Amino acid sequence: DSGVTQTPKHLITATGQRVTLRCSPRSGDLSVYWYQQSLDQGLQFLIQYYNGEERAKGNILERFSAQQFPDLHSELNLSSLELGDSALYFCASSEDSWNTEAFFGQGTRLTVV
Amino acid sequence: DAKTTQPNSMESNEEEPVHLPCNHSTISGTDYIHWYRQLPSQGPEYVIHGLTSNVNNRMASLAIAEDRKSSTLILHRATLRDAAVYYCILRPLSSGAGSYQLTFGKGTKLSVIP
Repeated sequence: DSGVTQTPKHLITATGQRVTLRCSPRSGDLSVYWYQQSLDQGLQFLIQYYNGEERAKGNILERFSAQQFPDLHSELNLSSLELGDSALYFCASSEDSWNTEAFFGQGTRLTVV
Repeated sequence: DAKTTQPNSMESNEEEPVHLPCNHSTISGTDYIHWYRQLPSQGPEYVIHGLTSNVNNRMASLAIAEDRKSSTLILHRATLRDAAVYYCILRPLSSGAGSYQLTFGKGTKLSVIP
């Protein structure tokens, strides 16, 4: 158990809909990262938050947004969903130091039909 | 970002040692070498990391070439549970934006034969 909790584990929704994925980081970790893993693209970094503020952006679509709340949990919002958004979404947390490891959750499997 | 090159796949017999290579010829002096693995249907899991010296932990050993242009992850006795995709990642010592996200490549898929 990595200590990072993601909910829900599975999500099936229709095209055009909006969903929210939730992540609770490991106790004490201030940094949260979101990744998308699809069959053809591998693990892609989406966005990072540190102590409530956005710190870095990767290949995140404009239809996607995220936030980190005062209790440090984070949510990834995906809107106007398309079939191609079907993927595994992982959250990771770390102390945000160069020499520490990142801990990943079990992921949310999103299926858009 | 400095890139890494890994074989797409490798096979090992159970209880034999496994050497997973990684080339990173454009590594900078401040890049740490990190290894993660992803078991089927799970999130990535930290394995080991190092800068210049060889490193050991309970999971594996990391051998780093003297010129740092390559490294090898060593699993001393492969078990069926070690079947996973192994990622070699360069992580900078410092980042102007203060971000330390991991950049994953395609990794090496390790199969363990009973």
